[in-house]
Amino acid sequence: DAGITQSPRYKITETGRQVTLMCHQTWSHSYMFWYRQDLGHGLRLIYYSAAADITDKGEVPDGYVVSRSKTENFPLTLESATRSQTSVYFCASSEEGRGTEAFFGQGTRLTVV
Amino acid sequence: GQNIDQPTEMTATEGAIVQINCTYQTSGFNGLFWYQQHAGEAPTFLSYNVLDGLEEKGRFSSFLSRSKGYSYLLLKELQMKDSASYLCAVREDDYKLSFGAGTTVTVRA
Repeated sequence: DAGITQSPRYKITETGRQVTLMCHQTWSHSYMFWYRQDLGHGLRLIYYSAAADITDKGEVPDGYVVSRSKTENFPLTLESATRSQTSVYFCASSEEGRGTEAFFGQGTRLTVV
Repeated sequence: GQNIDQPTEMTATEGAIVQINCTYQTSGFNGLFWYQQHAGEAPTFLSYNVLDGLEEKGRFSSFLSRSKGYSYLLLKELQMKDSASYLCAVREDDYKLSFGAGTTVTVRA
């Protein structure tokens, strides 16, 4: 299916475990983004990527790791999950050029217990 | 860093007009976006401004003043389905896309 998909949609994990959230897009968009959304904070940028093998830190990168070995995939790993990382995570992608909007995946609701 | 501010909540009556303001301070500017997000769903694109002025799209219009670091989203002929959060986002020179905290609009009958 064309578009941007995230998996899993829901995840419960324990404190201290490593967990990876997957993001896959079929448009070959250059840019990809990871956000977390919490009440009162809106969407906060964790990491973004301009192309394969190019990643940059956003506003709240601590405790997260990303990779982008292929244009279409942009996984987000929580190295040692903490309760403060309980959130809804959104992945987004956009192509190059002015006026090109970002398209969002459906989100992953992560609970760390 | 950057700062993107918008009101937390607004309430309006069905059929009315609501204006959601957004002010921003960024190290670079490559466009301003408005997104709509219904509860439990992903954000969806509404509008884009990169030059000063008004962009109209049906019942929704968006305005930008780059010199003032200011934008607004105007929602006309409000419908119940317009109850949602509205997110202001700024793209910086390196294509970093950052969002404000969002404005929750409640439309009352």
